[in-house]
Amino acid sequence: DTGVSQDPRHKITKRGQNVTFRCDPISEHNRLYWYRQTLGQGPEFLTYFQNEAQLEKSRLLSDRFSAERPKGSFSTLEIQRTEQGDSAMYLCASSLAAGLDEQFFGPGTRLTVL
Amino acid sequence: QKEVEQDPGPLSVPEGAIVSLNCTYSNSAFQYFMWYRQYSRKGPELLMYTYSSGNKEDGRFTAQVDKSSKYISLFIRDSQPSDSATYLCASFSGGYNKLIFGAGTRLAVHP
Repeated sequence: DTGVSQDPRHKITKRGQNVTFRCDPISEHNRLYWYRQTLGQGPEFLTYFQNEAQLEKSRLLSDRFSAERPKGSFSTLEIQRTEQGDSAMYLCASSLAAGLDEQFFGPGTRLTVL
Repeated sequence: QKEVEQDPGPLSVPEGAIVSLNCTYSNSAFQYFMWYRQYSRKGPELLMYTYSSGNKEDGRFTAQVDKSSKYISLFIRDSQPSDSATYLCASFSGGYNKLIFGAGTRLAVHP
């Protein structure tokens, strides 16, 4: 399978715990994006990488959130001190290059904070 | 006000019906408009995209953009149960670095 993969698919955690999600983009895709989707809403942009450089962060990405893309390959999204409001689907997407190239989405990681 | 507004539905239609899904947007700078389809527990997948005003047809699907009224539509002809999904309209932000999505319309096509 050459699509975008995300791990884990589901995560249940208690409030205050830290969680980390992983995204593996399509091979040779330079751009990698993170979105968050809450129930009944469309995805909302969080951040994106061009290779290993994080070029933009949404104001939704509070200081409890951090994303990395070491070596420009896979990416991780960490949430520290989780809150119930962090419960959502976290989607990763990748595109070949910048601009109008199609963004291919992974299946998402569903986070539930108890 | 959200930059892209979409009626969340749900919309329930019989098999074979013509479906009309609609969005409005507020940012005049938007030039490219996309429709994504999202099945339950899956990520969105690109269905169609259009540039500026006009129509684009792909099989049973037609995307329409009216920039004068900031209105985006997706028509599905001869709808099938396999079309049951959430349909998301979207546009690129300035710089084409991120997608701005509507809330999505949940469609159910029953046999």
